[in-house]
Amino acid sequence: DSGVTQTPKHLITATGQRVTLRCSPRSGDLSVYWYQQSLDQGLQFLIQYYNGEERAKGNILERFSAQQFPDLHSELNLSSLELGDSALYFCASSAGGSNTEAFFGQGTRLTVV
Amino acid sequence: GENVEQHPSTLSVQEGDSAVIKCTYSDSASNYFPWYKQELGKRPQLIIDIRSNVGEKKDQRIAVTLNKTAKHFSLHITETQPEDSAVYFCAAPKGFQKLVFGTGTRLLVSP
Repeated sequence: DSGVTQTPKHLITATGQRVTLRCSPRSGDLSVYWYQQSLDQGLQFLIQYYNGEERAKGNILERFSAQQFPDLHSELNLSSLELGDSALYFCASSAGGSNTEAFFGQGTRLTVV
Repeated sequence: GENVEQHPSTLSVQEGDSAVIKCTYSDSASNYFPWYKQELGKRPQLIIDIRSNVGEKKDQRIAVTLNKTAKHFSLHITETQPEDSAVYFCAAPKGFQKLVFGTGTRLLVSP
């Protein structure tokens, strides 16, 4: 157990819908990263927050948004879902910036039908 | 670009052989280089990391080497076992905030 909790573990939804993925970082970690992993693909960086503020953005679609709350948990919102959005979405947390060890949650498997 | 290049994409070895995976990064300011192992359907887990003030680090059968001049770092697994079969990802920081991953290497160790 990495200490990073993601909910839900699985999510099946229809095209055009909106979903929210939730991540609780390890106790004391200030950074939260979101990654997308499509089938047999690598880890695509989406966005990173540090202590409530957005600090870095990757190739995140405009239909996707995220935020980190005062209690440091984070949510990733995916809207107007398309079939191609089906993927594993991982959250990771670390104590500081990108030069500190990142711990991954177990991921949320999103299936868009 | 900001990507981390990783090679090979697949690697098949016999049990007991060594395996080497190589990565190249672009940001000369990068100072932390982790390696993650991802088993099928599971989360990536850190197996070893190295900081830029050292050239090599070992942990039992696993070692990582770093060449800062060439911006290369490599993962070495000796005496491979079937349970080493997984996808391995390297990563490097891009700036203070972004941790960018390589494209992954699927390692298959045959008994």
